[in-house]
Amino acid sequence: AQSVAQPEDQVNVAEGNPLTVKCTYSVSGNPYLFWYVQYPNRGLQFLLKYITGDNLVKGSYGFEAEFNKSQTSFHLKKPSALVSDSALYFCAVRGTGFQKLVFGTGTRLLVSP
Amino acid sequence: DVKVTQSSRYLVKRTGEKVFLECVQDMDHENMFWYRQDPGLGLRLIYFSYDVKMKEKGDIPEGYSVSREKKERFSLILESASTNQTSMYLCASSNNGAGGEQYFGPGTRLTVT
Repeated sequence: AQSVAQPEDQVNVAEGNPLTVKCTYSVSGNPYLFWYVQYPNRGLQFLLKYITGDNLVKGSYGFEAEFNKSQTSFHLKKPSALVSDSALYFCAVRGTGFQKLVFGTGTRLLVSP
Repeated sequence: DVKVTQSSRYLVKRTGEKVFLECVQDMDHENMFWYRQDPGLGLRLIYFSYDVKMKEKGDIPEGYSVSREKKERFSLILESASTNQTSMYLCASSNNGAGGEQYFGPGTRLTVT
């Protein structure tokens, strides 16, 4: 069975500092991994995905994520946080051949001025 | 740009009413999904569809049904609404490509009184 864990309910960071939002996963076979962002009262927006290739994936709004197979992790990162990055972030995984995504419970990112 | 629209942003219904939530996508995607989102629980899959007239149960199908008569439209039906179905409902679509990232609508916040 596929599963995703986001161990932090909330991450607090000061504007200009680097940020990391953690995600670990469990899936049989090769994973397809995704990050989404949700702003208040909005649907989820796709940020980036890992399918194969380079372990460092670059996405929208300056975000990137690092795939680590040995640690089964896919942490979201940004070198310099903005107040406007404050939102709810979801990690998701699916296995090869499956179209269903399994989502984590979400991590709220709060960037203070 | 992929566009997924949902029929209502906010909906208030009474217990026992039949409720229809509609979702339309304009990118000719094969797959469509209905989720509900509740605080602390993340996104949970209710139903999904791989093709017209095809449907598969997700993780929490009880109390819901779906209809997909046309490729672009996927409807979620609450046969007899109950207060525990008060939630944010999110529709998504994806194609069968290697990535398979899902694109989400803005959501419908349903309140059952």
